[in-house]
Amino acid sequence: DQQVKQNSPSLSVQEGRISILNCDYTNSMFDYFLWYKKYPAEGPTFLISISSIKDKNEDGRFTVFLNKSAKHLSLHIVPSQPGDSAVYFCAARVDQTGANNLFFGTGTRLTVIP
Amino acid sequence: NAGVMQNPRHLVRRRGQEARLRCSPVKGHSHVYWYRQLPEEGLKFMVYLQKENIIDESGMPKERFSAEFPKEGPSILRIQQVVRGDSAAYFCASSRGTLYEQYFGPGTRLTVT
Repeated sequence: DQQVKQNSPSLSVQEGRISILNCDYTNSMFDYFLWYKKYPAEGPTFLISISSIKDKNEDGRFTVFLNKSAKHLSLHIVPSQPGDSAVYFCAARVDQTGANNLFFGTGTRLTVIP
Repeated sequence: NAGVMQNPRHLVRRRGQEARLRCSPVKGHSHVYWYRQLPEEGLKFMVYLQKENIIDESGMPKERFSAEFPKEGPSILRIQQVVRGDSAAYFCASSRGTLYEQYFGPGTRLTVT
């Protein structure tokens, strides 16, 4: 029962161009969404998050967009850099006390080509 | 400002042995979470603990798996009588409270032979 889905297992982008990573979810109770970046043999690193009361959150080169009606979010990286090459996980949670566990997608491997 | 520490980083066990995975949270964090990542899959929640209490163990297999977070010392994830299907990366995360960001450790890669 995969409640958070990342349908693209991999994505290749030229350096300097925009990377767009997509994520869909099925549970309408989710109200907080996060993106994590993961390098091989390391743990996930928090990148950016968005609450369901917003539709956009920006942090430097990273922007997350949320479309609640479509149950869809996306992460935009612009401009993409070779150091951005990693696996990106979308995660979601229900924002209530005691229900803090994250539901993760299966990840998208981003390769930024120099 | 140490992050989440996990040890060992790699653990090899034969079928039927016990595996003990340790997690030291970020200093000042009292909430610990364990996740498991099977090959080619995302991370799956297992258990959420606060000091001396299990808050949510809905993702934990009913048998052979247990977790604790004692008043002193690291959190321990224990797997008894390991089977090949337990081979995975086990990640620990910590946060300073409910609804705060979770910071992940580097993981323990368990291989069952």
